[in-house]
Amino acid sequence: TAGITQAPTSQILAAGRSMTLRCTQDMRHNAMYWYRQDLGLGLRLIHYSNTAGTTGKGEVPDGYSVSRANTDDFPLTLASAVPSQTSVYFCASSDSRLAGGPNTDTQYFGPGTRLTVL
Amino acid sequence: AQKVTQAQTEISVVEKEDVTLDCVYETRDTTYYLFWYKQPPSGELVFLIRRNSFDEQNEISGRYSWNFQKSTSSFNFTITASQVVDSAVYFCALSVGNFNKFYFGSGTKLNVKP
Repeated sequence: TAGITQAPTSQILAAGRSMTLRCTQDMRHNAMYWYRQDLGLGLRLIHYSNTAGTTGKGEVPDGYSVSRANTDDFPLTLASAVPSQTSVYFCASSDSRLAGGPNTDTQYFGPGTRLTVL
Repeated sequence: AQKVTQAQTEISVVEKEDVTLDCVYETRDTTYYLFWYKQPPSGELVFLIRRNSFDEQNEISGRYSWNFQKSTSSFNFTITASQVVDSAVYFCALSVGNFNKFYFGSGTKLNVKP
């Protein structure tokens, strides 16, 4: 299976423009996440969704919005990009329904999107 | 509050040396999970291991081993006989609560030289 796919792979964006990063998983995981990775800071959670139709804010949600219309897709939107949003963005998914099994809640990551805001 | 500390920013070793990557975590929750991920130069994040807070048994998988000690809130990762292909950034992460939120350390960059 493909696992998690993200698009685009990379993007250069002018400040003030909007952008949607796409994320699709084919594992039927109930939970999905968006992180940004910045040098020296590790990965920081932007938004998450525990199930289709629900979303929540992570550690650094400002300037970003998400939606979860179905199980497979979890797009991340930057309404008006700023240079501080230059980062590598990772989408992840996990399944919390495995009742304590070895893979319960393990997050699996997509390949990332490198975004540069000028 | 939850926190993961990886004090080693970067480590360089020569191939075949053993190397230990440190991870110290903080949480008041009694139920939590600990993880290690590998990020090779290609950029993807590869899941290595998951350990729950009730299982302090050490684990060995080939050249990899993990030492979980609740008494010191540590979950250290050892690579035996390191290889150039082990060169990567390694992240330790903590998960608590019902929302599967992960708290990542800042990562340790491992350079294995031939």
